[in-house]
Amino acid sequence: GAVVSQHPSRVICKSGTSVKIECRSLDFQATTMFWYRQFPKQSLMLMATSNEGSKATYEQGVEKDKFLINHASLTLSTLTVTSAHPEDSSFYICSARDDRGGGNQPQHFGDGTRLSIL
Amino acid sequence: AQKITQTQPGMFVQEKEAVTLDCTYDTSDPSYGLFWYKQPSSGEMIFLIYQGSYDQQNATEGRYSLNFQKARKSANLVISASQLGDSAMYFCAMREGIGQGGKLIFGQGTELSVKP
Repeated sequence: GAVVSQHPSRVICKSGTSVKIECRSLDFQATTMFWYRQFPKQSLMLMATSNEGSKATYEQGVEKDKFLINHASLTLSTLTVTSAHPEDSSFYICSARDDRGGGNQPQHFGDGTRLSIL
Repeated sequence: AQKITQTQPGMFVQEKEAVTLDCTYDTSDPSYGLFWYKQPSSGEMIFLIYQGSYDQQNATEGRYSLNFQKARKSANLVISASQLGDSAMYFCAMREGIGQGGKLIFGQGTELSVKP
């Protein structure tokens, strides 16, 4: 089945560090990928839609300069949390749509990244 | 306004029994899709079942079935013969139309606990 690889799975770093998270579609092409943030026991909140070859579309309230998204190829999108602070600690998860899929095709999710800022 | 509503923060079910997880949605778009995902404590999102707004029949996938009541805008997930491994968070999600870029809006989730 379709596989999305997300790396790293866990990051612990000091405040002020920038952290890059990668999301790769391993066996399909994905013009569109999505980045979500999830706090414990809460729902997934869409942060942005990543579009290959163009700028990402951010949801209301998400800081573009804080969460940099680059979708440089049809199989890779990256999320960089710049100058991370403790309040950025969260579970970040990406998903990808198979370009061949129709409207009934599910998004394929990565396994998520647990980010802890000390 | 909340587009996807799951009113059950937590549910308990006895092993081997059936359980229904509620989901209601709100949209004015005639074309939409409804999805259910399972999220174990490890965090990965596992796709369970899909229902399209134009589908005439309720979707079924193994032990999972979707009770789709379009007029009531509800899409409840039914899990039959519950297993201990079914204990997890369950999320209902909606994708509106085609022009929305395929993004999913998730409900608050229901934490299901299966008791032996």
